[in-house]
Amino acid sequence: DAGVTQSPTHLIKTRGQQVTLRCSPISGHKSVSWYQQVLGQGPQFIFQYYEKEERGRGNFPDRFSARQFPNYSSELNVNALLLGDSALYLCASSFSWTPPLYTQYFGPGTRLTVL
Amino acid sequence: DAKTTQPNSMESNEEEPVHLPCNHSTISGTDYIHWYRQLPSQGPEYVIHGLTSNVNNRMASLAIAEDRKSSTLILHRATLRDAAVYYCILSGNTGKLIFGQGTTLQVKP
Repeated sequence: DAGVTQSPTHLIKTRGQQVTLRCSPISGHKSVSWYQQVLGQGPQFIFQYYEKEERGRGNFPDRFSARQFPNYSSELNVNALLLGDSALYLCASSFSWTPPLYTQYFGPGTRLTVL
Repeated sequence: DAKTTQPNSMESNEEEPVHLPCNHSTISGTDYIHWYRQLPSQGPEYVIHGLTSNVNNRMASLAIAEDRKSSTLILHRATLRDAAVYYCILSGNTGKLIFGQGTTLQVKP
């Protein structure tokens, strides 16, 4: 079975631009979460969606937004890019967003570089 | 969010067991204990999780203290492919994962 897929794998943008990252969850999973991982640190939680509704939001500015589609895929949008947004963006999927079926499985990530 | 404390790094010899400790003294009754690992340039990989009882799967075993204030991830026979950063994470009523710095495991041949 296919795991979590993310596109693109790599992306280079300049400051002030906007970017959209995409994620397809494991078949049957209805929850998608997004994380940002800056080099040398652990992943930081950005958003969690379940059945198209936002279920959790981390401490990130309003420049970050996301949505989940009826097929449970998801997009993460970042506006007005800053150099500090350069990171590995990870998507994770799970059956649900509450116990016990909320174990998350991660994709390979999208490497975003902001110049 | 309840926090965990792990050693920054550990070393092991190949084919020997590895015990990775995690302290979580502020754990609440509904917090699950999750372990993930991350190899360089890859997304985190789920290893194991548990609530109160010890757990075993094909990858590892999780030993949870009776008071739940600490746990140990056990790799029964370390291989070179087990070299990674191991994260011990508590999650409550939602799936939000709060990652710390983790333990970097080095496996020597």
